[in-house]
Amino acid sequence: DGGITQSPKYLFRKEGQNVTLSCEQNLNHDAMYWYRQDPGQGLRLIYYSQIVNDFQKGDIAERYSVSREKKESFPLTVTSAQKNPTAFYLCASHPFGRGNQPQHFGDGTRLSIL
Amino acid sequence: EDQVTQSPEALRLQEGESSSLNCSYTVSGLRGLFWYRQDPGKGPEFLFTLYSAGEEKEKERLKATLTKKESFLHITAPKPEDSATYLCAADNYGQNFVFGPGTRLSVLP
Repeated sequence: DGGITQSPKYLFRKEGQNVTLSCEQNLNHDAMYWYRQDPGQGLRLIYYSQIVNDFQKGDIAERYSVSREKKESFPLTVTSAQKNPTAFYLCASHPFGRGNQPQHFGDGTRLSIL
Repeated sequence: EDQVTQSPEALRLQEGESSSLNCSYTVSGLRGLFWYRQDPGKGPEFLFTLYSAGEEKEKERLKATLTKKESFLHITAPKPEDSATYLCAADNYGQNFVFGPGTRLSVLP
């Protein structure tokens, strides 16, 4: 069954620690996205990638990093410099270039500070 | 700047009480307007795509409509299981979608 898998579902970060959120898709989609969702707020774009080995900053990329070494995978690292990382992180994919298609989402990772 | 807004921010309905959610968009061009449902602690689940003004899509108790400036999600005789946050998003021919902030719907038994 095709879809997007995010792991872990819950993640706890200590002060001074980088953490990496996993996102894997088997939909054969070219584009992948990372969003941050805070309580009562909409989705804010962190990074996106339309092709392997290439990615672009979104609206709130500062103190986050990504890589796109494989089409199926788009991990997000929340660096220790990110002062307020507590949020719900969503990964999405899209068959970029095949217009009029929705973005498909994973079930998210909730990151909290210890 | 392209923008999508949604109203109301939150809506409480009694079971069976029909209502509508609004999604207003200001974009340079619209390739598609998308509706999603999001349950607490889950990712958004795709509901509908609308492409052109006048188009309507239906699924069970939900019907989505589109005009040149806004989209409505009509909920007929809602049930408690329809409680969720409903998001709309516009594909403006850019490299990403423009998402609205969502409407949080609560349906009371």
